[in-house]
Amino acid sequence: DAKTTQPPSMDCAEGRAANLPCNHSTISGNEYVYWYRQIHSQGPQYIIHGLKNNETNEMASLIITEDRKSSTLILPHATLRDTAVYYCIVRVDGAGGKLIFGQGTELSVKP
Amino acid sequence: NAGVMQNPRHLVRRRGQEARLRCSPMKGHSHVYWYRQLPEEGLKFMVYLQKENIIDESGMPKERFSAEFPKEGPSILRIQQVVRGDSAAYFCASSQSGLGEQFFGPGTRLTVL
Repeated sequence: DAKTTQPPSMDCAEGRAANLPCNHSTISGNEYVYWYRQIHSQGPQYIIHGLKNNETNEMASLIITEDRKSSTLILPHATLRDTAVYYCIVRVDGAGGKLIFGQGTELSVKP
Repeated sequence: NAGVMQNPRHLVRRRGQEARLRCSPMKGHSHVYWYRQLPEEGLKFMVYLQKENIIDESGMPKERFSAEFPKEGPSILRIQQVVRGDSAAYFCASSQSGLGEQFFGPGTRLTVL
């Protein structure tokens, strides 16, 4: 699985959009980009995933660049409850299933 | 539909004792994964099981650790002769197949005295 690079920490004002970047320059054509978050030592929570098209669900949007070497997770209206560590993971679906977590980005949403 | 259940949520053991951690996957899920998070560290994959089979145990320590997922009942992560370095949060996740998203449980926090 390709490696990912994320900034260690970010701040965001409550109510504003949080844009979390992820670099995955060695991604292969059959690797998906997954985003999970972990709120204060709770179990990780799935957010969204995509292959090459942009994706949106009730939680967030995922923007993947055309060359697929980077992506951005967007939380459109961040709340204090979105304060968490966000993990960007690249994975080949069906290739063993395991998730390889990096250090993630610690997002602090401030009032 | 209940989520992934783990018990106990907190477990205290003395050095040398055994620890048994249980994980009940979401209904309809036959794939289970175990991850460990040491204090102040990231999540590390341990083992991937499908009913009665170990698919990938590349992250399991070579000794003292074992996992099973029987035909009936929860998945069990067993740690024999625990040491202080085993103190961590152990998370279980499940998925419907080996594809797509994994759903995580709340974790079991093991403390070894």
